[in-house]
Amino acid sequence: EAQVTQNPRYLITVTGKKLTVTCSQNMNHEYMSWYRQDPGLGLRQIYYSMNVEVTDKGDVPEGYKVSRKEKRNFPLILESPSPNQTSLYFCASSFGQREQFFGPGTRLTVL
Amino acid sequence: AQSVTQLDSHVSVSEGTPVLLRCNYSSSYSPSLFWYVQHPNKGLQLLLKYTSAATLVKGINGFEAEFKKSETSFHLTKPSAHMSDAAEYFCVVSDRTYNTDKLIFGTGTRLQVFP
Repeated sequence: EAQVTQNPRYLITVTGKKLTVTCSQNMNHEYMSWYRQDPGLGLRQIYYSMNVEVTDKGDVPEGYKVSRKEKRNFPLILESPSPNQTSLYFCASSFGQREQFFGPGTRLTVL
Repeated sequence: AQSVTQLDSHVSVSEGTPVLLRCNYSSSYSPSLFWYVQHPNKGLQLLLKYTSAATLVKGINGFEAEFKKSETSFHLTKPSAHMSDAAEYFCVVSDRTYNTDKLIFGTGTRLQVFP
């Protein structure tokens, strides 16, 4: 089954404790992206990657890192999480500007 | 730069009546436009997309949208609402240049459907 998976689905952590949210897709898509969703703000792009070893900042990249060492994986790293990074995070993948397939989301709470 | 504005944060309709969710965009060239739906506690699903072919685009679940360049609009419609249509809807515009490839989301419209 074609899908985008994210782990963990729910995470509660404390300020400053490094964490990684994994994202994996099995559709051989070149394009992958991370978004955060906050009430009243819609989805805002954090980082995106147009292919392996090619990443670029989205609209809200501060406090986040990504890497794209393999085509299927695109982890999101929070080196020192802060409470303002409490949010719902979505990973997505696609062939360029065709339909983006979204993962199920990761709800992160930073205390 | 591209941008998208969803004109209503909330829309309420009765079951069986028409649905209209409004979206305006700004773009310096011919954009690609999308509508996504998000049901409660779910991820996002593509409803339909416009990529410079027919201006009237049909999507899943009876939804359609019309691209109007003169009005810079891409409103989403459905002739008859169903209870299962209750969800949040996002209008999205692509921002694609030689070295960038981004989607820009509107802030969303929450659709309520009353029996």
